[in-house]
Amino acid sequence: NAGVTQTPKFRVLKTGQSMTLLCAQDMNHEYMYWYRQDPGMGLRLIHYSVGEGTTAKGEVPDGYNVSRLKKQNFLLGLESAAPSQTSVYFCASRVIQVGNYGYTFGSGTRLTVV
Amino acid sequence: AQSVTQPDIHITVSEGASLELRCNYSYGATPYLFWYVQSPGQGLQLLLKYFSGDTLVQGIKGFEAEFKRSQSSFNLRKPSVHWSDAAEYFCAVYSMGGGSNYKLTFGKGTLLTVNP
Repeated sequence: NAGVTQTPKFRVLKTGQSMTLLCAQDMNHEYMYWYRQDPGMGLRLIHYSVGEGTTAKGEVPDGYNVSRLKKQNFLLGLESAAPSQTSVYFCASRVIQVGNYGYTFGSGTRLTVV
Repeated sequence: AQSVTQPDIHITVSEGASLELRCNYSYGATPYLFWYVQSPGQGLQLLLKYFSGDTLVQGIKGFEAEFKRSQSSFNLRKPSVHWSDAAEYFCAVYSMGGGSNYKLTFGKGTLLTVNP
């Protein structure tokens, strides 16, 4: 089915370890986003990309890096994981179309840092 | 900067009762507003959206929302709640300019519990 696919779905990391979360979309969307969701905090934007090869910081970028080498993929990296990065991570994408600003979300990655 | 406030953290209603979830936004220009629903362990699903035109918008699953510019509100309603509506609901505003280009800003969510 077309949509946004996130891998892995679950992961447990030890403090200081690194990992990369992969987001892939097959809808030819230009814009892609990484959010984190924490209880009582809603979704907060980590980084986003408005096209291949471009990325920008959101409201909570510290401790994360991203890359958009291919249009369909948006990678989120944690270089040195910390317990504060325990969260559920959601990727989203949307098409460039005036008047169409709805996002398509992935099903999330639940990350625990111990 | 834009912001979204959902005043109710948790609401409990009985099945068959009516529902209204509140959302207030702060945004300098014409807002693009959304409601999303998240079932436990799932991603977010779009319920409805407002861009312009008729201020009462219809969505999926029998939901509707009314945009009131004078009150900076975009409240979500459903006439008769079903047990399957139990979920968390997020209001969001889309920003177009300044330092917050091209992104959705979410409220903190309202958790809906439905009693049988």
